Amino acid sequence: EAGVAQSPRYKIIEKRQSVAFWCNPISGHATLYWYQQILGQGPKLLIQFQNNGVVDDSQLPKDRFSAERLKGVDSTLKIQPAKLEDSAVYLCATGLDRGDSPLHFGNGTRLTVT
Amino acid sequence: EDKVVQSPLSLVVHEGDTVTLNCSYEVTNFRSLLWYKQEKKAPTFLFMLTSSGIEKKSGRLSSILDKKELSSILNITATQTGDSAIYLCAVGAFGAGNNRKLIWGLGTSLAVNP
Repeated sequence: EAGVAQSPRYKIIEKRQSVAFWCNPISGHATLYWYQQILGQGPKLLIQFQNNGVVDDSQLPKDRFSAERLKGVDSTLKIQPAKLEDSAVYLCATGLDRGDSPLHFGNGTRLTVT
Repeated sequence: EDKVVQSPLSLVVHEGDTVTLNCSYEVTNFRSLLWYKQEKKAPTFLFMLTSSGIEKKSGRLSSILDKKELSSILNITATQTGDSAIYLCAVGAFGAGNNRKLIWGLGTSLAVNP
């Protein structure tokens, strides 16, 4: 079974620039999450999709972050404009449409904002 | 507010030692408790626990849930340097609209010295 694919692996941008991350879930996984993980902390949920609908985006800084999951498969997360404090690893995780199924994570994108 | 607390935050042991990591939670509409191991990349799934008192084992790792005490432990016996990682605990619950959500702890950073 192929895992969750994320790209790019690393990105370095200057503040006020924009950046986009891409996630391709495991086939058949209806739920998709974007997490932000800062060094030394647990993952922080940014947005949760169920198929192509948003389930929870309460912690997404909507003035600068946006995400979409067209056709309920691939997803993109965008930051525009980036701030220094956005430097983190952005993780995509997907799971089956069952309340107790574990999440599977991609390798993440490490973003550095200078 | 839902919360998950892990202890200790960090731990240094010698190869061959046995370690016990703790996870306690205060979460409404608890469904499951999950343990993940995170090395340099994304978290990898270890265990999912839903029933109290039933131990799950995988090699030298084992975990058990105590719903009465609202806690779980993760045991690692005969530790090896490859066990060095951050161990994350997450609690699955039903959020608003019966949607699934995960509440994450900050993790326990384990270092196993030769």
